[in-house]
Order: sequence, then structure tokens, then C-alpha cells
Amino acid sequence: RKEVEQDPGPFNVPEGATVAFNCTYSNSASQSFFWYRQDCRKEPKLLMSVYSSGNEDGRFTAQLNRASQYISLLIRDSKLSDSATYLCVVSPMTTDSWGKLQFGAGTQVVVTP
Amino acid sequence: DADVTQTPRNRITKTGKRIMLECSQTKGHDRMYWYRQDPGLGLRLIYYSFDVKDINKGEISDGYSVSRQAQAKFSLSLESAIPNQTALYFCATSDSTPAGGTYNEQFFGPGTRLTVL
Repeated sequence: RKEVEQDPGPFNVPEGATVAFNCTYSNSASQSFFWYRQDCRKEPKLLMSVYSSGNEDGRFTAQLNRASQYISLLIRDSKLSDSATYLCVVSPMTTDSWGKLQFGAGTQVVVTP
Repeated sequence: DADVTQTPRNRITKTGKRIMLECSQTKGHDRMYWYRQDPGLGLRLIYYSFDVKDINKGEISDGYSVSRQAQAKFSLSLESAIPNQTALYFCATSDSTPAGGTYNEQFFGPGTRLTVL
């Protein structure tokens, strides 16, 4: 079983719509959580960290559900430039210490005009 | 200029050949990593290094070796390439003392697409 599982998609989203997707993780000891964004054939880049209370960064909202061991990402008012693959990333350590990152395979989002 | 660079960007080679992938960074980070990415799989850690004298195996180190020639340089070698090492390889860096950031933010190079025939 993969440690971090994601729906590969693609999620086809009309421009301006809202899209949301989840990621589940198997290690209950996981402490820190992130969403990275990867454009086609390019390097991953950190989109946002995910905090226990949930957090927003502009049009992006991340939530963590420790009891059910999943994190979610919601994108509001989708832009064409949001088309990318979103990688769910989990670490066994808290954000103030280093831990190996476990990457999901990614969820592809395609925003259409 | 890119903070993390990788050379070559693309490489096609034959089974049994020795291949070296190079990574350089100007971010001043002490920690460096090598990952491979395969379709349908997440990035998997091959090796990582916390400083020039520190090398650690990741989850899939068999068939690979690394060298940390300087703080800014970390190279990955495939001693005898085989077809199932065909993948996209990423180098990444992170800072052991991130100012205002998180320990787990890693900065990736543009990747090397390796094909082993």
C-alpha cells in the first residue's frame, strides 16, 4: 500500500469554478503536511503547508483531518494557470525539524476556458 | 539564473553504461537530495546529504551512488545503467536553518530525463 495516495484525475474544471480533492496517508505518526505544485515536465514547487486548523492562501484552502488521515486542497475561482499536478506531501516530523518527505503521485487539474 | 541546476537535462544511454548526473546550487543550502519520479508513483528518495561529509541512503539507493564534492555540488551516478532506471531525476536542496520557513521546504532543480535502452 502506498504511504500517500491521491486520485490521479484529471479533474476538468471550468474557469472560475471551484475544485477540491483529497489525499490520504497511511502513517498515523505523520506530523507535517504540504501541497506542492508541479507543472508538466517541470520541477515541483511548494504551494502551501497544511496546518491542523486549516489554512488559506488566496484562492487556495487546505484542510487536515487527522482522525481520518487525509488532507484536502480546494481551489476557488480557478484560473487557467492553475492547471497543474498537485502533489500531496507528508513528513513524520513537525515543521521545526527535518523529516523525509513522502510524496503522493499527484492529482492532475485541468482548467478549461 | 536558476538556483538549482542539473546537467544534463536529457540523456539517452545504453544498458551497462556508467552515467553521472550533476547538480549545482547557489542557494547556499547545506542539504541536498536526489529523487526519481516515475509515472503513477510519487517522487522517491535515492540519496541525501546533510553536508559534505554526510551521505545517507534513501528508499531506493540500490544501483546508484553519489558524491558530494562541495556544499554546492551533489552528483548521482548509475554505475551500470539498466532500463528500469529510465525516469525523471530531480535534485533538491533545503536549508538546515530556514529563516522564517519550514525545514521541509525543498527546492528542486529542473530535472534530468534519463532513458536507458
